[in-house]
Amino acid sequence: DGGITQSPKYLFRKEGQNVTLSCEQNLNHDAMYWYRQDPGQGLRLIYYSQIVNDFQKGDIAEGYSVSREKKESFPLTVTSAQKNPTAFYLCASSINGGQGNQPQHFGDGTRLSIL
Amino acid sequence: GQQVMQIPQYQHVQEGEDFTTYCNSSTTLSNIQWYKQRPGGHPVFLIQLVKSGEVKKQKRLTFQFGEAKKNSSLHITATQTTDVGTYFCAGLNYGGSQGNLIFGKGTKLSVKP
Repeated sequence: DGGITQSPKYLFRKEGQNVTLSCEQNLNHDAMYWYRQDPGQGLRLIYYSQIVNDFQKGDIAEGYSVSREKKESFPLTVTSAQKNPTAFYLCASSINGGQGNQPQHFGDGTRLSIL
Repeated sequence: GQQVMQIPQYQHVQEGEDFTTYCNSSTTLSNIQWYKQRPGGHPVFLIQLVKSGEVKKQKRLTFQFGEAKKNSSLHITATQTTDVGTYFCAGLNYGGSQGNLIFGKGTKLSVKP
């Protein structure tokens, strides 16, 4: 089945530790996105990538980093600089990001908690 | 910056009652998308509206885009327990890339059998 795979489903982080969330898609989509979802806050964009080897900051990029070395993969690193990392993280993709007229397909999410 | 406001935040209905959620933007939108997120799940794309005054229907769901392309609504007729979830609108500014898709905070619908 084509889709987006996020792993792990649950992740625990110690204070001062960096963690990386995985996102893989086999939909052959050009654009990929990372969102953070907090209760009552909706979805907020962290980073997005419209093409391999290129990515842009979203509204809340501080304390996060990404890479896009392959079309299929868009890992998100939550660094120790992110002071409030506990949240539900959603990865999404769309056919392309240029015109903004494409639906986004979401993975099942990773729930990150601080120990 | 651009904001997309969505109301109400919560809605509790009896099964069989109608439900409506409203989305309002501070700026004119190029298009608007609607998503549904079931409890414990991820958002799933429902529909996209592009034209001024556009109305689209999916069975019991009716989606509308305002004439000024600043507001939108989702109406569900005769709700069922399967409609439970959070409904999000997401708007895109004119000239914006997909990275500028702004999500509303969502309306959480609960349906009492």
